[in-house]
Amino acid sequence: DAGVIQSPRHEVTEMGQEVTLRCKPISGHNSLFWYRQTMMRGLELLIYFNNNVPIDDSGMPEDRFSAKMPNASFSTLKIQPSEPRDSAVYFCASSLLVTNEQFFGPGTRLTVL
Amino acid sequence: EDKVVQSPLSLVVHEGDTVTLNCSYEVTNFRSLLWYKQEKKAPTFLFMLTSSGIEKKSGRLSSILDKKELFSILNITATQTGDSAIYLCAVRNSGYALNFGKGTSLLVTP
Repeated sequence: DAGVIQSPRHEVTEMGQEVTLRCKPISGHNSLFWYRQTMMRGLELLIYFNNNVPIDDSGMPEDRFSAKMPNASFSTLKIQPSEPRDSAVYFCASSLLVTNEQFFGPGTRLTVL
Repeated sequence: EDKVVQSPLSLVVHEGDTVTLNCSYEVTNFRSLLWYKQEKKAPTFLFMLTSSGIEKKSGRLSSILDKKELFSILNITATQTGDSAIYLCAVRNSGYALNFGKGTSLLVTP
């Protein structure tokens, strides 16, 4: 079984550029979560979706961040414009139901120069 | 504000030792507590605990929750070098979001 798939695995971009991170959850899972991990702040929830609907986006740091889930098998996290402080590893996770354990993708390591 | 605190922050032990990792929390409307292991990449799920006093066990790993004292422990017996990782504790509230602690970094030396 394929796990959660994320792309790209690494992204290096310059300040001010738009960045789009992609995620394909495990087939059949109804909940999808976007996290950001840094040394300073650890693993932080940015937003989560249940049945493709955003439920809680209180973790999204500011308006430069947006996320969409147009269908059950695809989600994007976009940063526009990107800033150096956005450099982090971004994880996508999915779960069968929102109350179940979450399965994490391999992450996208973003570096903004 | 919800809070999850793990201790110690880091730990170095010899192969064969037993370790106990701690996780204390302050969460409004607690639902469950989860443990994850993170090696070089993504966190992998270990346990989910919802009831006090019931031990969950998987091989050399075990975990228990105390909802009265608001903490959980993760025990690893007969440690191996492959147990070296960051162990993350996360607590779920009524909003279903997971709030993660900063983790305990465990290094098992041969």
